[in-house]
Amino acid sequence: QKEVEQDPGPLSVPEGAIVSLNCTYSNSAFQYFMWYRQYSRKGPELLMYTYSSGNKEDGRFTAQVDKSSKYISLFIRDSQPSDSATYLCAMSLVSGSARQLTFGSGTQLTVLP
Amino acid sequence: NAGVTQTPKFRVLKTGQSMTLLCAQDMNHEYMYWYRQDPGMGLRLIHYSVGEGTTAKGEVPDGYNVSRLKKQNFLLGLESAAPSQTSVYFCASSRSGDSPLHFGNGTRLTVT
Repeated sequence: QKEVEQDPGPLSVPEGAIVSLNCTYSNSAFQYFMWYRQYSRKGPELLMYTYSSGNKEDGRFTAQVDKSSKYISLFIRDSQPSDSATYLCAMSLVSGSARQLTFGSGTQLTVLP
Repeated sequence: NAGVTQTPKFRVLKTGQSMTLLCAQDMNHEYMYWYRQDPGMGLRLIHYSVGEGTTAKGEVPDGYNVSRLKKQNFLLGLESAAPSQTSVYFCASSRSGDSPLHFGNGTRLTVT
């Protein structure tokens, strides 16, 4: 069993829809949670970063962490065609340490105009 | 400001050939990393460096070597390429271990 599970999709939604992307994890020692966005043929870029249970909002994006259920989500409101990308969740045992960063396999999202 | 630059962008190798992937960053970052990305597997750390002259193994180091002779450059070497090393390789850098990773745009390597 992988430490981090992420539904690969693909997920296709109409413009303006609310998108929910999810990851589950098995290691309760994970403390820090990130979402990366990866456009086709590009490297990942950090989208959201959080370390506590609850919600963190940044514009149209909300990251949600439920440590008791070992479940994290990324919500995208008013989705736009420019949001079409692969979204990777990532988590670490200590603050941002890449030596301990574990990535999900990514969910491919397409927002249709 | 180029950020993280990887060369080459594409490469095809025959089994047993060797090659070096170059990563250069212009952000004066201390930490540099090499990842590989495979379908359904996510990004996996190959090797990393916490400063000039230092290197360390990541999750999947076998078959790869690295060097960090200059702070701005991190080289990934394949001494004898195998088909299992067909992948997309990403270099990343960060200011410190706690800082966000900045990724390059990848090198697509095919080993036949």
